[in-house]
Amino acid sequence: EAQVTQNPRYLITVTGKKLTVTCSQNMNHEYMSWYRQDPGLGLRQIYYSMNVEVTDKGDVPEGYKVSRKEKRNFPLILESPSPNQTSLYFCASSFFWGQGSGTREYFGPGTRLTVT
Amino acid sequence: ELKVEQNPLFLSMQEGKNYTIYCNYSTTSDRLYWYRQDPGKSLESLFVLLSNGAVKQEGRLMASLDTKARLSTLHITAAVHDLSATYFCAVDLSGGGADGLTFGKGTHLIIQP
Repeated sequence: EAQVTQNPRYLITVTGKKLTVTCSQNMNHEYMSWYRQDPGLGLRQIYYSMNVEVTDKGDVPEGYKVSRKEKRNFPLILESPSPNQTSLYFCASSFFWGQGSGTREYFGPGTRLTVT
Repeated sequence: ELKVEQNPLFLSMQEGKNYTIYCNYSTTSDRLYWYRQDPGKSLESLFVLLSNGAVKQEGRLMASLDTKARLSTLHITAAVHDLSATYFCAVDLSGGGADGLTFGKGTHLIIQP
């Protein structure tokens, strides 16, 4: 079954304690990205990756790191989490868009993170 | 900077009624997506609109795209309770590229019996 998986699904942590949220896709997609969803703000892109070893900042990258060592995995790293990073996080993947490709992004199930 | 605005942000309607959700965006784009999100769930793709004048329909939902007006609509016909959800439009900048999608803030739709 084609899918994007995230782990953990729920996480409560304390300020400053490093954490990693994993994301994996089994569709051989080149493109992967991370979004955070906050009430009243919709979804905002944190980081994206066009392929292995190619990553770039989205709209709200501060406080986050990513890596793309393998095509299927795109972990999100919070080196020193703060309460304002409490949010619902989604990983997504797709084939790399070229002109007219129109491939939609597949979203993971989400990770609800609370930083106290 | 691409801005995507949805209207309304909140909509409560009765079963059997028709209504339209609007999605305006600020920069040229010929690719627009509609997603549905149920409470506590991930996003489910509804429609992919790839060109001016594109119209897609599935069940009681119909989406259209007018790239000249920079407007997409999601029309609900004879609403039923099962369509209660939050609906997002998302825009991809023209020419493809790797910037990802820019989402609207979502329309929270409640359909009452």
